[in-house]
Amino acid sequence: EDQVTQSPEALRLQEGESSSLNCSYTVSGLRGLFWYRQDPGKGPEFLFTLYSAGEEKEKERLKATLTKKESFLHITAPKPEDSATYLCAVTGDDKIIFGKGTRLHILP
Amino acid sequence: NAGVTQTPKFQVLKTGQSMTLQCAQDMNHNSMYWYRQDPGMGLRLIYYSASEGTTDKGEVPNGYNVSRLNKREFSLRLESAAPSQTSVYFCASRGTYGSPLHFGNGTRLTVT
Repeated sequence: EDQVTQSPEALRLQEGESSSLNCSYTVSGLRGLFWYRQDPGKGPEFLFTLYSAGEEKEKERLKATLTKKESFLHITAPKPEDSATYLCAVTGDDKIIFGKGTRLHILP
Repeated sequence: NAGVTQTPKFQVLKTGQSMTLQCAQDMNHNSMYWYRQDPGMGLRLIYYSASEGTTDKGEVPNGYNVSRLNKREFSLRLESAAPSQTSVYFCASRGTYGSPLHFGNGTRLTVT
């Protein structure tokens, strides 16, 4: 059965303090791993897709990496506006399965 | 470009009432999905439609039915609402196999 586990559940950082969020996954034949950002009261907003181990994607202060068992979302020198819930999801067939997310709070 | 549109945005039902949540996408996507999101539980897949004319169960289908009306529209029906169905419901769509989902802004449903 496909499964996604995200850690930590919540993370509080000072502005400028870099860190990483983890997404461990089990899927039969990975077709894609996705990272989303979700703000309160909104639908998830797509950030990145990773397809194979070793792949990396970057966008502003965010960098996503992928191995055969997990993905990391690295946040470099975060700002308060990076505060949100970050969701990881995988797809091996027609279904897309999500983790429970990491709530990130950046203190000014 | 509207993307994925969900109606209504908010709804309050009494136990036993029925209702249909509507979803429409204008991106010519083949696949559409319904999720529910509860505190501490993340997004859980209720039903999905991989292509027009097909529907399949997800992780938590009990108490729900769906209809893929055409390529653009995918509705979710609660026949007899229960308090356990209080949640935020998200509709999403995607184009090609392996591509990411695009989400609507959700329907916040309370069942009393």
